[in-house]
Amino acid sequence: DIQMTQSPSSLSASVGDRVTITCRASQSISSFLNWYQQKPGKAPKLLIYGTLSLQRGVPSRFSGSGSGTDFNLTISSLQPEDFTTYYCQQSYITPLTFGGGTKVEIK
Amino acid sequence: EVQLLESGGGLVQPGGSLRLSCAASGFTFANSAMTWVRQAPGKGLEWVSFITGSGGSTYYADSVKGRFTISRDNSKNTLDLHMNGLRAEDTAEYYCAKGAKTWDYWGQGTLVTVSS
Repeated sequence: DIQMTQSPSSLSASVGDRVTITCRASQSISSFLNWYQQKPGKAPKLLIYGTLSLQRGVPSRFSGSGSGTDFNLTISSLQPEDFTTYYCQQSYITPLTFGGGTKVEIK
Repeated sequence: EVQLLESGGGLVQPGGSLRLSCAASGFTFANSAMTWVRQAPGKGLEWVSFITGSGGSTYYADSVKGRFTISRDNSKNTLDLHMNGLRAEDTAEYYCAKGAKTWDYWGQGTLVTVSS
């Protein structure tokens, strides 16, 4: 199985900050990497698919990068509604696996 | 507008069975693979199973293989998850989601609690 390791598991930041979340796969997954945002008590929401592609309706302050085993989610300027939890997920091969999550908290 | 509405969750004893359902609308259901993802209380996300649009192929996580069965009825636009031999570690919010390996729409979830 492909293990997905996210870092950090949590971070504190302020509105307007630029933040980057990292996801590392235990083997190459090419560009088959998705990012989801999950707010408390709600279903996850697809933000970015295929490493780079922004899902329709997602603000352009979100961006993705990487390939192979190392990937990043960057939020260019944190907004109040962005303080929540983010997950990466590999869509390369079953079993499909998620990272452990990164909680973005207000400093 | 795409809508996915899960139902069927509840409290069940260890070893028991439960059937979850997901009613889909707003898209051509038969053309879309569908997936179940779960989340234990306070924990991360875990992929459970997906089924192709025709229903001809199914895939399972090792943790549920042999105990859970995914199925669909394209005439009724419904997705099911039949869960047998339930264990305490199956306690989770269960989400249905549209897609095979990337999920662009999710339901609101249904909670399954396995406890005596």
